[in-house]
Amino acid sequence: EVQLVESGGDLVQPGGSLRLSCSASGFTFISSAMHWVRQAPGKGLEYVSSISVLGGSTFYTASVKDRFIVSRDNSRNTVYLQMNSLREEDTAVYHCVRGGPSSSSSLSSWGQGILVTVSS
Amino acid sequence: QSVLTQTPSVSAAPGQTVTISCSGTISNIANNHVSWYQQLPGTTPTLLIYDDYKRPSGIPDRFSGSKSGTSATLDITGIQTGDEADYYCGTWDTSLRSGVFGGGTKLTVL
Repeated sequence: EVQLVESGGDLVQPGGSLRLSCSASGFTFISSAMHWVRQAPGKGLEYVSSISVLGGSTFYTASVKDRFIVSRDNSRNTVYLQMNSLREEDTAVYHCVRGGPSSSSSLSSWGQGILVTVSS
Repeated sequence: QSVLTQTPSVSAAPGQTVTISCSGTISNIANNHVSWYQQLPGTTPTLLIYDDYKRPSGIPDRFSGSKSGTSATLDITGIQTGDEADYYCGTWDTSLRSGVFGGGTKLTVL
């Protein structure tokens, strides 16, 4: 069974930093691109970031570029999202999502999500 | 404002058929595979359709997807009360170099 467990969510002040982690199990981690997708309260889905299977390619939506950094540790089956210079509009539930072999593949399995609240 | 455009809401009575549309551009839908995701109330999204029309195992054939040019559609036949959910289309955008979603369509079963 595929399991994706996010951790690291918290209440943080604007301008602060946070690192999310996602521990994966139940599938061949090194064969899957990984993604972060967020959903603000009462809003739709928003793609945040992707990382290729070996971590050599990373992608970001425009609103988080130069503030967020995605990385992965294939020896630990874990993907990370370092979030810097956080803004109130970054408040959302952040989902870790398993993709396919390509970063453009569909999002096949979703974690339950972790809440990040940015507020003073 | 979402890169992909979806009608915000649709409604149908049980047993009817509903079509949900997703409109994009050459840099996303026309040149990349489209997926559809179902988000039941209070739950995490799940993959409903991938590669434009394929269904993951366990998804009933009442759900079907298609694509033509810069638009994609999700058809749901024999609507059931349990289908009441938000439906999102998603794909890759080659120009933006990122994934993109539609704003979501809320299906209400009358």
